[in-house]
Amino acid sequence: KNQVEQSPQSLIILEGKNCTLQCNYTVSPFSNLRWYKQDTGRGPVSLTIMTFSENTKSNGRYTATLDADTKQSSLHITASQLSDSASYICVVWASSGGSYIPTFGRGTSLIVHP
Amino acid sequence: SQTIHQWPATLVQPVGSPLSLECTVEGTSNPNLYWYRQAAGRGLQLLFYSVGIGQISSEVPQNLSASRPQDRQFILSSKKLLLSDSGFYLCASSGRKGQYFGPGTRLLVL
Repeated sequence: KNQVEQSPQSLIILEGKNCTLQCNYTVSPFSNLRWYKQDTGRGPVSLTIMTFSENTKSNGRYTATLDADTKQSSLHITASQLSDSASYICVVWASSGGSYIPTFGRGTSLIVHP
Repeated sequence: SQTIHQWPATLVQPVGSPLSLECTVEGTSNPNLYWYRQAAGRGLQLLFYSVGIGQISSEVPQNLSASRPQDRQFILSSKKLLLSDSGFYLCASSGRKGQYFGPGTRLLVL
């Protein structure tokens, strides 16, 4: 059964600090892994997308890593801002017969305090 | 770029009433389309996905149904809503240009 586990479930940090969110997955056949940011009451917005051959990808203050051997990914947020407060969701896509099926993690709720 | 429209944004319905949520996609053709539900404090749950017109796959047994009458239109329906149908419903599209989510519809069944 395909699964995506995220940790921690919630995180509180002070503004300006860095943090790292974790994602472990068992999804097959693997197509790609995406990190999303979801503000309360809104749809998720894509931060990064990584395929099997990519180890690191950055998007501003967000840096995602992927270790396809251990099936782990991390999202590192640098110099956090109040606007980073949101839920961060790891989604791993499987590709089978032309269909792309996502498996979602439950998300990490990040709160940035001033 | 791809844009996904969902309406209504918020809906309050009585138990037993019918439901129809619509999703339309702009900026792409022949996308894979998805309906998700996000209950309060929980992750996203895939309800249906569609790889083409008239092609619907259901991920979980439920009180809901989906239809795709046109290439870029995806509809989520129910004949009789249950209290447990309350939640945040998201439509998503996936194609060569990536995956995008709509703004969501918040449904409250009373």
